[in-house]
Amino acid sequence: DQQVKQNSPSLSVQEGRISILNCDYTNSMFDYFLWYKKYPAEGPTFLISISSIKDKNEDGRFTVFLNKSAKHLSLHIVPSQPGDSAVYFCAASARRGAQKLVFGQGTRLTINP
Amino acid sequence: DVKVTQSSRYLVKRTGEKVFLECVQDMDHENMFWYRQDPGLGLRLIYFSYDVKMKEKGDIPEGYSVSREKKERFSLILESASTNQTSMYLCASSRTGSDEAFFGQGTRLTVV
Repeated sequence: DQQVKQNSPSLSVQEGRISILNCDYTNSMFDYFLWYKKYPAEGPTFLISISSIKDKNEDGRFTVFLNKSAKHLSLHIVPSQPGDSAVYFCAASARRGAQKLVFGQGTRLTINP
Repeated sequence: DVKVTQSSRYLVKRTGEKVFLECVQDMDHENMFWYRQDPGLGLRLIYFSYDVKMKEKGDIPEGYSVSREKKERFSLILESASTNQTSMYLCASSRTGSDEAFFGQGTRLTVV
């Protein structure tokens, strides 16, 4: 029973274009969402987060959008750079700062020169 | 630079062996976690600890136990390793009330 779903296992984008990674969730108790990035042979690193009281959060080239009614969030990367090639995990928790995160399956993003 | 260090990058163990995976963090974080990462399943929480000697089951605790005798160290124990425990194991730590968890580099365990 996957409460957080990333339905695209992989995504390929041209350098300089926009990358859009999607995430859906089923548990209406989730109200805090995070994105992590993982390079091969390294642990995931925190990228950006959003609270359910917002619908958008921006940090440089990275923007996360939240649509609570659709239980959907997306991560936009613009412009995409070769160093963005990694696996991206969406995660959710029932409140900010909660110890327990529920992760999606991950999406492998490849940026082509 | 903050650090979560896992004792081994790669381990190969035999079915039925008792296996210890060790994790140490140097950030004085209260919370520590063990996840396993499998293709198509993402990261799944095995156990977590919010204080010394305290532990709580995550989503998939069966076949595992943990130990936290000191704040900086969190051990994952496979009592009797089985082939379905072949996986990438990730340790993480976080400060209570913080959004961000810091992960170790992972231990790829193969049980033969």
